[in-house]
Amino acid sequence: GAVVSQHPSRVICKSGTSVKIECRSLDFQATTMFWYRQFPKKSLMLMATSNEGSKATYEQGVEKDKFLINHASLTLSTLTVTSAHPEDSSFYICSGQTGFGSGRYYNEQFFGPGTRLTVL
Amino acid sequence: QQPVQSPQAVILREGEDAVINCSSSKALYSVHWYRQKHGEAPIFLMILLKGGEQKGHDKISASFNEKKQQSSLYLTASQLSYSGTYFCGTELNYGQNFVFGPGTRLSVLP
Repeated sequence: GAVVSQHPSRVICKSGTSVKIECRSLDFQATTMFWYRQFPKKSLMLMATSNEGSKATYEQGVEKDKFLINHASLTLSTLTVTSAHPEDSSFYICSGQTGFGSGRYYNEQFFGPGTRLTVL
Repeated sequence: QQPVQSPQAVILREGEDAVINCSSSKALYSVHWYRQKHGEAPIFLMILLKGGEQKGHDKISASFNEKKQQSSLYLTASQLSYSGTYFCGTELNYGQNFVFGPGTRLSVLP
């Protein structure tokens, strides 16, 4: 249980284009979804936190106009990298959190398999 | 504020034990532990809440010392499958200010 999918797993795009990454919780309702960015051999850096139906909360230094997050339902969140540049190339990982009182888990995050973005 | 993890890396032989520490300068609500293998997503291991919990399953257990704001992850009789990078994540309040530590790279050799 508690499976999160991400699509696409890999994407290569040209500089200046936009890329959308989908994150879905397949067998649970994610009250909160997180988007992380991870560089090789580094820790996961939280980019933003999104709750269903409300605006995402971005971490300091993350441009919200560049990284658009939409949390349309309790099972789907999307991250759109707008006007991508080579420095946006990275491994993007989402996670879903069930929240307290779900009766199954407490607050742990279940991660998607990640999306490797390469901007040429 | 990012928690501190130690050691940065550790190499073990199969069957040996290891301890990974995670500490914070702030009062924590919870500590999460995750393991990530190369090229894969992190997987959840366990959560410890303030109050000094100790949890475990199989040969992996953890404790949380609220007075020291430190959590330790214990891996006993390590197996090859334990290899990976272990991250702790800390929360200052429920659902707030979650941040991962820098990670501890664990290598288990046959």
